[in-house]
Amino acid sequence: EVQLLESGGALVQPGGSLRLSCAASGFTFTAYAMSWVRQAPGKGLEWVSAILGGGGLTYYADSVKGRFTISRDNSKNTVFLQMNSVRADDTAVYYCAKGDMATIALFDYWGQGTLVTVSS
Amino acid sequence: DIQMTQSPSSLSASLGDRVTITCRASQAISSYLAWYQQKPGKVPKLLIFGASALQSGVPSRFSGSRSGTDFTLTISSLQPEDVATYYCQKYGTAPPWTFGQGTKVEIK
Repeated sequence: EVQLLESGGALVQPGGSLRLSCAASGFTFTAYAMSWVRQAPGKGLEWVSAILGGGGLTYYADSVKGRFTISRDNSKNTVFLQMNSVRADDTAVYYCAKGDMATIALFDYWGQGTLVTVSS
Repeated sequence: DIQMTQSPSSLSASLGDRVTITCRASQAISSYLAWYQQKPGKVPKLLIFGASALQSGVPSRFSGSRSGTDFTLTISSLQPEDVATYYCQKYGTAPPWTFGQGTKVEIK
């Protein structure tokens, strides 16, 4: 059974940093791209960042480019999102999502999400 | 960037009604279009990919179609458990992998 378990969400001050983690199990982790998708309170879904299975290629939404960094530790089946210089509009539930076998951004499994609140 | 525009933003229909949601891409995306269902307080769930292929386990009352850059999600007979917000998403090779703004479906 595929499981994705996010952690690391917290209350953080504007300009601060936070590192989210997503522990994966139930599938061959290195074979799949992983993404972070966020949802601001009462709003829609926004793709944030993706990383290929080998970790060599990463992609970012313009809204987070230069501030967020996605990475993965394939020895620990974990993907990370390092969030720097956070702003109030980064407040959201952050979901970890698994890509389909053939495509990076077709999300067939999602974690339960972790809440990031940016406020002073 | 390619924009994904859903309509309507919300709808209210009776049980058993046929419900149609539309998603328009601002440029050609072939059939790289997915639909997700998000029930209140729950995690999004993949319903349809490739514009019309049903994900395993999804009831057959859900269907998807494509006409050029216009995509449609249809619920043939609305059930209570279909109350949710539905999102389209382009998922081709090029980022950003944009979602539509969502369509909230309620029971009348």
